[in-house]
Parts: sequence; structure tokens; C-alpha cells
Amino acid sequence: KNEVEQSPQNLTAQEGEFITINCSYSVGISALHWLQQHPGGGIVSLFMLSSGKKKHGRLIATINIQEKHSSLHITASHPRDSAVYICAVRSTGGGADGLTFGKGTHLIIQP
Amino acid sequence: ETGVTQTPRHLVMGMTNKKSLKCEQHLGHNAMYWYKQSAKKPLELMFVYSLEERVENNSVPSRFSPECPNSSHLFLHLHTLQPEDSALYLCASSQVFRDYQETQYFGPGTRLLVL
Repeated sequence: KNEVEQSPQNLTAQEGEFITINCSYSVGISALHWLQQHPGGGIVSLFMLSSGKKKHGRLIATINIQEKHSSLHITASHPRDSAVYICAVRSTGGGADGLTFGKGTHLIIQP
Repeated sequence: ETGVTQTPRHLVMGMTNKKSLKCEQHLGHNAMYWYKQSAKKPLELMFVYSLEERVENNSVPSRFSPECPNSSHLFLHLHTLQPEDSALYLCASSQVFRDYQETQYFGPGTRLLVL
């Protein structure tokens, strides 16, 4: 069982819909990342959070440390939001430490 | 040039070849990472270097050999690979402190095919 579970694995929605992607993890963490991967492989870091909520444009990320759960929301979705969204966690606070990744959620926004 | 760059972007090699992947970061970071992304599997951490010292080797086969000559450059030397090593290899960098790590920035990846 992967330490980081995402749902859904695949999501197809219409332009303008409100999108929610969920991430649950089973280990203690110091930070959780939401990443976006476009076709071709390039990865962009969207958020890094350890508590509460962060907002950037139409994207909102929340985390509940007690429940070991995070959500990524996209408001007014657009076809250019189509990508794979990956949740990743880091277990320790300081120093160099790699990330443990979920399998990703493949999102398609249809016009 | 800014960010994290990787070369080559695509590589096809035979099982007896020796090749190297290169990563360069222009962000002044002090830590660099190699990740592997195989089809239908989550990204996996391979190696971590902090201040040019390897701090993690995630049970990676010895046919993968990392090298970090300075804080801006990271190499992954490949020899006698297997077809199942075909994957996207991603490099990342970040700034780390004693009790905090900033977000990781990823390169575009090298797509490797082993024949």
C-alpha cells in the first residue's frame, strides 16, 4: 500500500466546473506538496503547505494534519488545467529529504 | 538561463552502453535530487545530495551511479541498464536549512529508452 493515496485517479469535467482532488497519507509529515505535470513530463510545484490553506489564482489547497488529508481545488476550470496533479509528502522538517509521491490524478477539462 | 535544466531530453541506449544524464540548477540551491518515473507508477526518489554529499540512496541498483561535483551540477551515470529501467528521470533542487526545506524545483526530465 502506497503511503500517499490520491483520488480520483482519473477525472473528466466540463469547462467551468469546480474540481476537487483528494490526497490521504499514512505517515507523519512536515510538509505536503501539490505538483502539476503536463504531457512531456515537466513538473511544476503548485503549493507546499504544512497547515491550513493556501490560494493562488484559481487554485486552493487545504490540509488537515489531524486527519492526514489534503485537497486541491480548482475553481472555474479551464481546458488548460488539463494535466496530472500529484500529491507528495516530506517526512522530516530540516535538511535534504526526498519526497514520497502519490500516483497522480489525471484531469481532463473539456471545452 | 534560469531554473533547472536537464540534458539530454531524450536518450535511447542499448543494454551494454554507458551514458550519463546531466542536471544543472541556476537557483543557488544547496540540495539536488534524482527521481525516476516509470509508466503507471508513482515518482520514486533515487538519490539526494546536500552540500555535494550524498545523504540518501534509496536502494537503487549499482548500475545507476550519481555524481555531484558541485552544488550546481548533478550527474547520473548509467551502465548495463535493463529494459525495465526505461523511464522518465527527473532532477530537482531545493534550498535546505537545518530545520526547514523550501519547495523543490523540477527539471524537464530525460526520457530514457533501454533497448
